Parts: sequence; structure tokens; C-alpha cells
Amino acid sequence: DQQVKQNSPSLSVQEGRISILNCDYTNSMFDYFLWYKKYPAEGPTFLISISSIKDKNEDGRFTVFLNKSAKHLSLHIVPSQPGDSAVYFCAASGTSGGSNYKLTFGKGTLLTVNP
Amino acid sequence: KAGVTQTPRYLIKTRGQQVTLSCSPISGHRSVSWYQQTPGQGLQFLFEYFSETQRNKGNFPGRFSGRQFSNSRSEMNVSTLELGDSALYLCASSRVAGRETQYFGPGTRLLVL
Repeated sequence: DQQVKQNSPSLSVQEGRISILNCDYTNSMFDYFLWYKKYPAEGPTFLISISSIKDKNEDGRFTVFLNKSAKHLSLHIVPSQPGDSAVYFCAASGTSGGSNYKLTFGKGTLLTVNP
Repeated sequence: KAGVTQTPRYLIKTRGQQVTLSCSPISGHRSVSWYQQTPGQGLQFLFEYFSETQRNKGNFPGRFSGRQFSNSRSEMNVSTLELGDSALYLCASSRVAGRETQYFGPGTRLLVL
């Protein structure tokens, strides 16, 4: 049972435009969400996070939006740059009957930003 | 501050063998988590250690085990390797266990022949 879903395996955008990566989750106990970026042959790099008490968090060109009622979050990258081309993973954590903050990851979305 | 380091970076083994992977967390980080990444399954949680104790465990068979030392360094071991164990094994560290951002190492690429 996949609790974190990234339904788009890939996304292609033009340099300078907005990239929107989507993520859905099913576990209502999740209350902390993160986005990681991964280049080939490297480990994932933390990008941005959001707690369930917020609906938006911004860091430079990156903004994460959380819609708790829809169990949906999205990552907006504006403007997109060729160096943003990578696989983006959505991750979630929360408690379920005790201390259990392990991260559950989606399968990733490959973003390609074309010059 | 140095990042998370993992050794070795690449490893080739044959079925039935065992393997030990090592992870050194960021200085001051006491929690270490391990993940397996495969093309079909994405990143899957293996286990988490904090202060030498396993706090969480994912849904992997008992062939996968780990430990953490007093200096927070961690090792994971896979015994009786199977072809399906071929994957990228990632280690991540955080200051404490719980609601903390995890920082990943570059991973160990394991190929089982």
C-alpha cells in the first residue's frame, strides 16, 4: 500500500517557466512533509519542508503548498533553471501509536528543465 | 561541516554472500536511518538507530540487520544475498530521532550477481 504517491513519473518544462510537482498521501497521521532533490550518483538533498500547521512555506525559488483536506502537496519552482533537472522525492512522516517518525517516500518525479 | 559519508561506494557480490555497509553521520548527529532505493520501489525505509538502539524497522526480512556504535557510526549487514538485493543503499543522519530533517549520504551501490 503506497502511502505517498507521486503520480507523474516525469515532467518537462522550459527554462524560466514554473515547475509544479505534485504529491498525494493517504495516511492521515502524516503531519510533516519534505521535498528532496536527487542527482544521479548522489544521495537525496533536502530542499524544503512544511508542517501540517501551515499551508505554505517558501524558500527562495521553492514554495511548498499543503492542502490537508485533499491530502495533497505541491512543490513550485519559479523560475525553473536547467540546474533544477533532477529527480524530486516527496516524503512524509508522522506518529502512529507512539514515536514513529520514519520517512515514507514517494517514487519520485524526474524534472527536466530545457534551456 | 563534513556531510554523511558511506563506504564503500560500489560493491559487487554473488548470491549467498553477505555484505556490510558503513555510514558515518554528520558530526553531532545521533540518529542514523537506512533506506533502499530500487528503480521500481523508490526509497524504502530499512531501519533507524538512535543512541545505539534500533527505534524503527521497515518491512524487510531478517537478513537485513544493522547496528550503531557509541560514536554514532552505523553499519548495516545483509546476509545470504539475493539478486533482488541489488540496489542503492542510502544512509541519512539527523541531530536527534523524531521530527528532524534527515541528511543523506551518497549511497552504496550494491550489485548482486
